[in-house]
Amino acid sequence: TQLLEQSPQFLSIQEGENLTVYCNSSSVFSSLQWYRQEPGEGPVLLVTVVTGGEVKKLKRLTFQFGDARKDSSLHITAAQPGDTGLYLCAGVGGNFNKFYFGSGTKLNVKP
Amino acid sequence: DTEVTQTPKHLVMGMTNKKSLKCEQHMGHRAMYWYKQKAKKPPELMFVYSYEKLSINESVPSRFSPECPNSSLLNLHLHALQPEDSALYLCASASTTGDLIGGYTFGSGTRLTVV
Repeated sequence: TQLLEQSPQFLSIQEGENLTVYCNSSSVFSSLQWYRQEPGEGPVLLVTVVTGGEVKKLKRLTFQFGDARKDSSLHITAAQPGDTGLYLCAGVGGNFNKFYFGSGTKLNVKP
Repeated sequence: DTEVTQTPKHLVMGMTNKKSLKCEQHMGHRAMYWYKQKAKKPPELMFVYSYEKLSINESVPSRFSPECPNSSLLNLHLHALQPEDSALYLCASASTTGDLIGGYTFGSGTRLTVV
């Protein structure tokens, strides 16, 4: 079982649609990060959220950290084909204060 | 320089071969990591080096042997691998293992195929 569960696992949408990806845990995390990974490449850090309730915006991407620091969401407005990739949440938490990756969300944006 | 460079990008090796993967960063990061990633799955931690010393080995088989010659370089020596070891091998670095607020910087990976 994953300490960080992401949903949905797969998402295929048309260009211009909005979407939200969720990252949930039963454990508290000191910080959470979101990465995007394109095929054949390594993950690229998009954002780090640290404070419960924090909201960060990166152009069309909005990231939120839950008040209890157990969950996070990524909202994309007007998705574009360039947003296609594997989205991973990650963070330090759990009983052993280790770094964990989420289960991943594979996004495909069709032109 | 804000990159982690991995070589080679692709590697095909037989089960009796010995090969090495290389990783280099010049950001002054003192934590370096090897991850293994299967298709459409999240990366799985293999090894962690902190200040050039191995601090975590996630029960990785001995056919994988890491080495950190200096603070900028990380190698992964491969010997007698199995076809199921085929995967994308990712190197990552962070300022220190205790400070991940800045996140990891990942290399582009080595796509390994064992035949």
